[in-house]
Amino acid sequence: DAKTTQPPSMDCAEGRAANLPCNHSTISGNEYVYWYRQIHSQGPQYIIHGLKNNETNEMASLIITEDRKSSTLILPHATLRDTAVYYCIVRVARTGANSKLTFGKGITLSVRP
Amino acid sequence: ETGVTQSPTHLIKTRGQQVTLRCSSQSGHNTVSWYQQALGQGPQFIFQYYREEENGRGNFPPRFSGLQFPNYSSELNVNALELDDSALYLCASSLELRTDTQYFGPGTRLTVL
Repeated sequence: DAKTTQPPSMDCAEGRAANLPCNHSTISGNEYVYWYRQIHSQGPQYIIHGLKNNETNEMASLIITEDRKSSTLILPHATLRDTAVYYCIVRVARTGANSKLTFGKGITLSVRP
Repeated sequence: ETGVTQSPTHLIKTRGQQVTLRCSSQSGHNTVSWYQQALGQGPQFIFQYYREEENGRGNFPPRFSGLQFPNYSSELNVNALELDDSALYLCASSLELRTDTQYFGPGTRLTVL
C-alpha cells in the first residue's frame, strides 16, 4: 500500500469549511484513497473513499487530483464535534485478501468557536 | 454507536501476566480485525479473522494470539505482558473483508505496570 503524508495539525473556525490535505505521490492505479477519523477516546470512524472521481456523502467531500498524487477531504461546515484526528489511507480494494488498514499519525483538526 | 462492543473498558496488569480482550462484532459481520494504538500514534494492525480463520497478521510476536467464534465474536490474547504492550486495543468488524465499512469498537485501554 502506498505511503501517505499529512501535516500534523490544522485548525479552522466553526461554520467554515475545513480542507484537509493528503499527499500520496506513489499511489498505484488500483489503489483507493480512504479517510477515517478518530474523535478522542473513540475508535476510528469511516468517512469516505474514492479512486479517481470526486466523491461526496453526508459527512464530507473527497477531491482527488487528476494525477491522483494528492487529495483533499472537505468538511463543508465544520462544527466543534469535528475536532478529531483524521487519517488518510491508501490501499488496494481487493477481495480475498485481508482488509487491514495502515494508519499513519494523521492530521489533528481543531475546530475553534 | 457502531454496534461493536469491547470488554473490558480498562484493564491494569503487571509485567509477565496474560490478558484476554473481547470483541463482539456488529450483527452479521464475519470479519474482525484487531489493532493496537500506542499513545500519540495511529492504530497498528495486529491480525484479522475471517469466518473463524486467521486472515493476515501484522508485525506482532506470537505471544499475541486470537480466536474467532462461530458467532463471529473474537478474543485477543496477549501472553507474557511487557510494559510496551500498554496501549488502546481496538477491534473492527466488517462484512466480507470490506475496507470502507469497517466499524470500530471503543477500545480497551490496557496498562501494564
